[in-house]
Amino acid sequence: GAVVSQHPSWVICKSGTSVKIECRSLDFQATTMFWYRQFPKQSLMLMATSNEGSKATYEQGVEKDKFLINHASLTLSTLTVTSAHPEDSSFYICSASSTSGPYEQYFGPGTRLTVT
Amino acid sequence: AQSVTQPDIHITVSEGASLELRCNYSYGATPYLFWYVQSPGQGLQLLLKYFSGDTLVQGIKGFEAEFKRSQSSFNLRKPSVHWSDAAEYFCAVGARTGNQFYFGTGTSLTVIP
Repeated sequence: GAVVSQHPSWVICKSGTSVKIECRSLDFQATTMFWYRQFPKQSLMLMATSNEGSKATYEQGVEKDKFLINHASLTLSTLTVTSAHPEDSSFYICSASSTSGPYEQYFGPGTRLTVT
Repeated sequence: AQSVTQPDIHITVSEGASLELRCNYSYGATPYLFWYVQSPGQGLQLLLKYFSGDTLVQGIKGFEAEFKRSQSSFNLRKPSVHWSDAAEYFCAVGARTGNQFYFGTGTSLTVIP
């Protein structure tokens, strides 16, 4: 149980275009979903927290107009990188916390974004 | 402020040797504690977690961790390392009452034959 999927697993896009990454909780309802960014050989950096039906809460230094997060249902959150630039290339990981049980985050497999 | 420290950035062990990865945390109350493993280009896999009860926790792949409240530590151990254990290991703490989740900086494990 508690499986989180991400799509796509990797994506290449041209500079200036936008790309959307989906995060789904497959077998549970996720009140809250999280988006992390990970640079090579570094730890995960929390970008934003989103609750279903509410606006996302962004961490300091994260551009909310560049990284658009939508959490439209209890099983789906999307991250859209707008007007992507090469410096946005990174590994993006989402996680979700369940509505029941002890608090825990379940992580997706990640999405590798390369902006050319 | 809450923080998680993994003092060892990189560890090299021989296959078959024992392993201990250190994790210390700074938190106002007893948090939930987790260890994750990440292979290159992959997501995080949960190795084990501590919520309450027995302070020695067994996980997958032969790993265990011990919660020591007095030392604010949650060290990960394995008695005999396999070459497939080479990966990045992250310790994390989570708040019992909210959505806060804090990661350590990670320890990279190399296993030599």
